[in-house]
Amino acid sequence: DTGVSQDPRHKITKRGQNVTFRCDPISEHNRLYWYRQTLGQGPEFLTYFQNEAQLEKSRLLSDRFSAERPKGSFSTLEIQRTEQGDSAMYLCASSLNGRDDEQFFGPGTRLTVL
Amino acid sequence: KNEVEQSPQNLTAQEGEFITINCSYSVGISALHWLQQHPGGGIVSLFMLSSGKKKHGRLIATINIQEKHSSLHITASHPRDSAVYICAAFFYGGATNKLIFGTGTLLAVQP
Repeated sequence: DTGVSQDPRHKITKRGQNVTFRCDPISEHNRLYWYRQTLGQGPEFLTYFQNEAQLEKSRLLSDRFSAERPKGSFSTLEIQRTEQGDSAMYLCASSLNGRDDEQFFGPGTRLTVL
Repeated sequence: KNEVEQSPQNLTAQEGEFITINCSYSVGISALHWLQQHPGGGIVSLFMLSSGKKKHGRLIATINIQEKHSSLHITASHPRDSAVYICAAFFYGGATNKLIFGTGTLLAVQP
C-alpha cells in the first residue's frame, strides 16, 4: 500500500501523559500536513512541512504540541501533558508540492484522554 | 464566522434522488476540495477544482469563483453514498498554505 499511513490508529491515555503519533506520507510527496478533528466538526489545520522545514503552525498548536519531520520523510506529532480537551482525531495528509495539489489523507489517529 | 460554510448540515434522501450540497467561502482561494469521510474517520479526496466543473461517475462538482460558491451533486443516490461530505478551501501564497474546512454535511441515503 503506497498511501499515507498513520500509527497508532487509536490511543487511549491518562491525563498528563505524553503521546507521540507518526505519519508516513506518500514517498515522493514534499508536503506534509497535520490536522485535528473533534467530534461533529470539520478538520482544523495544525501545521505543515515542506520537506523537513516546518513552515506554518496554527494558533491551535500550543506549547504542549511539537511536530517534526527530521529527514523530510515521516513526521511525528507529540503532545506533552495531555488534557481531556486534546481528545480528537489527528489526521495527516501529504501532497506533491502544495499549490493546487491534491492532498491525500491518512486514516487518522484517534486520541482519547481519560 | 467560519471562512468556509456548508449547507445543509444534515441531509436525508431516498435512494435514487438527486442531491446537492453547497459550499461558500469568504476570501480568495487557489482551489476548492470536496472530501468524503466515512464513519471511522478515513477521508477520501473526491475533487479538487479551481474553476468550472468536474465529473466523476455519479458525482459532479462545480465552482463559481466570482460568487465564491461551489456545489457537489450526486445523481441517482445510493445508500453507499451515505457519509460526511466536507468542502475545504485551499489558501496558497505567502506564509499561508493550508486547507480551511467546512463543518461537513452528513448525508444519509435510505433504501
